[in-house]
Amino acid sequence: DAGITQSPRHKVTETGTPVTLRCHQTENHRYMYWYRQDPGHGLRLIHYSYGVKDTDKGEVSDGYSVSRSKTEDFLLTLESATSSQTSVYFCAISESSFNVNEQFFGPGTRLTVL
Amino acid sequence: GDSVTQMEGPVTLSEEAFLTINCTYTATGYPSLFWYVQYPGEGLQLLLKATKADDKGSNKGFEATYRKETTSFHLEKGSVQVSDSAVYFCSIGGNAGNMLTFGGGTRLMVKP
Repeated sequence: DAGITQSPRHKVTETGTPVTLRCHQTENHRYMYWYRQDPGHGLRLIHYSYGVKDTDKGEVSDGYSVSRSKTEDFLLTLESATSSQTSVYFCAISESSFNVNEQFFGPGTRLTVL
Repeated sequence: GDSVTQMEGPVTLSEEAFLTINCTYTATGYPSLFWYVQYPGEGLQLLLKATKADDKGSNKGFEATYRKETTSFHLEKGSVQVSDSAVYFCSIGGNAGNMLTFGGGTRLMVKP
């Protein structure tokens, strides 16, 4: 299994509070991604990174920010959590930009915003 | 933009039945096509992939053929097992940054 961990695995928070989710990889892969999974929507890309300090927006980036100060860590921050951000969040990594390469997924973080 | 449509579930089958999960896509260019599987409580795992027209991806008895003329990538298995119960996602990739676009997922339940 690819070495990807996510923390925390579960979190319950209140509306308006900041939340940071962490993705850590031991594979030294260049690309890292944050997705959210919601019923009927599959996975939707929030943000991705193509190197240290290099990030870009995905399909559903509003209300989220990311940072990547080291190759191995990719942080997702909800500056002020809302109930619509209740979801399961997955981190993924990829070795190359070529589309034939698969993405490896972490175990997920279940976030509940009350 | 790119999009993926797959049949809604749940799909309920008896053990040893034949499985088909339909997947169609819209995309510019020539994307690579993937099927991912998600077992309960876990992240997604790549099940199979195809990178060009008429390619057949296969793994663990599952197969899917890249049909460019019908923009489809249907997943099939000849004889499902209880252990195949999971959610299956069709996806396409091909943009810079290796971004994937996913379908909504199809839950498969196999009964003994």
